[in-house]
Amino acid sequence: NAGVTQTPKFQVLKTGQSMTLQCAQDMNHNSMYWYRQDPGMGLRLIYYSASEGTTDKGEVPNGYNVSRLNKREFSLRLESAAPSQTSVYFCASSEYPGPNSPLHFGNGTRLTVT
Amino acid sequence: KQEVTQIPAALSVPEGENLVLNCSFTDSAIYNLQWFRQDPGKGLTSLLLIQSSQREQTSGRLNASLDKSSGRSTLYIAASQPGDSATYLCAVFTGTASKLTFGTGTRLQVTL
Repeated sequence: NAGVTQTPKFQVLKTGQSMTLQCAQDMNHNSMYWYRQDPGMGLRLIYYSASEGTTDKGEVPNGYNVSRLNKREFSLRLESAAPSQTSVYFCASSEYPGPNSPLHFGNGTRLTVT
Repeated sequence: KQEVTQIPAALSVPEGENLVLNCSFTDSAIYNLQWFRQDPGKGLTSLLLIQSSQREQTSGRLNASLDKSSGRSTLYIAASQPGDSATYLCAVFTGTASKLTFGTGTRLQVTL
């Protein structure tokens, strides 16, 4: 049982390049999330999908787009990467949105933008 | 705006010691508080979840307490082991904003 799988694990981009981070979960969860983790800061929510077919902005959505491809998959796209987007990106899922459904995290994608 | 603070940022203790990690939050209107563990290069693993109506939760050698009125939680680890070395994060789910706010974590090292 893989849980939440993120690809790639590492990526280096030049400023202005684009890329898509992939996330898939096999727990039949309804809700999926994208967070970024930066040194000295707590995890911050970029976008989330409460259920298949819906997406909403989180705390730091600028410069990102998302697609909930189906119930299993939730991708994060950087259209024109900037050095400020250097970070570790985590995908998470939960059975339902809201406070009573625990989050399950992937192992992260470490992105460097030069 | 909810703010979550964890002090200290890093802690080193010898094996076998009991230890306490601290978490404080500014807005007491929370649904719950969670403690997570993060190993280097890995994602977060949920350890304990305390509902706002509860005072504490226990799992094995871990005990988490919650004092909502004072905006504080502690994670107590008994008889620490080198395998406990990791970063521990707390997060609160705030009712007014309907969102989860994370602290920056305490990096724990348990030495032999």
